[in-house]
Amino acid sequence: GQQLNQSPQSMFIQEGEDVSMNCTSSSIFNTWLWYKQDPGEGPVLLIALYKAGELTSNGRLTAQFGITRKDSFLNISASIPSDVGIYFCAGDEAGNNRKLIWGLGTSLAVNP
Amino acid sequence: KAGVTQTPRYLIKTRGQQVTLSCSPISGHRSVSWYQQTPGQGLQFLFEYFSETQRNKGNFPGRFSGRQFSNSRSEMNVSTLELGDSALYLCASSRGLAGVNEQFFGPGTRLTVL
Repeated sequence: GQQLNQSPQSMFIQEGEDVSMNCTSSSIFNTWLWYKQDPGEGPVLLIALYKAGELTSNGRLTAQFGITRKDSFLNISASIPSDVGIYFCAGDEAGNNRKLIWGLGTSLAVNP
Repeated sequence: KAGVTQTPRYLIKTRGQQVTLSCSPISGHRSVSWYQQTPGQGLQFLFEYFSETQRNKGNFPGRFSGRQFSNSRSEMNVSTLELGDSALYLCASSRGLAGVNEQFFGPGTRLTVL
């Protein structure tokens, strides 16, 4: 199936460090969503972006909808151990009947 | 408010069998989407139901089917199971159609095909 290009695939960082991950696509998206999945759980929505250029924060998390509508990034500042998990980007591709396309995820490990 | 519930949580089947998974959305949510999650392929969209009608479909073979009832509960069926069907099956509900409405996920059903 179709997927977004999400990078990096995995990250191992020290507690307190900042984290950045991104998603890119060859096509235009109407919506960008960032989810986090903890082991044994379903993904939970962190941030939703609906407009090109939009920059939105949720606590220590900040995400932006790229101006070209083909990319998005998620930043986590001052990471803490509970940030551990898999982060997914998802998007609603323009002209694709509101079908969400997903990235393969970024696995984040935080060393306390 | 109760979250999305999925039953069963774990299932072991053998090749050739069929399986039915169940999803109860959050009260008031009319859309239910199903996803297959595997380590190598991430989340793959199966289908979305809204008001008992399939609104969107992913690229899965016809062995994968679903339905939605008048109370918005949904079931997913996989017939003639193959080893490659082993995966975590996630259900997500939203108030309106996914893509413009926040989706809330259930914990998933872990299916193992032997």
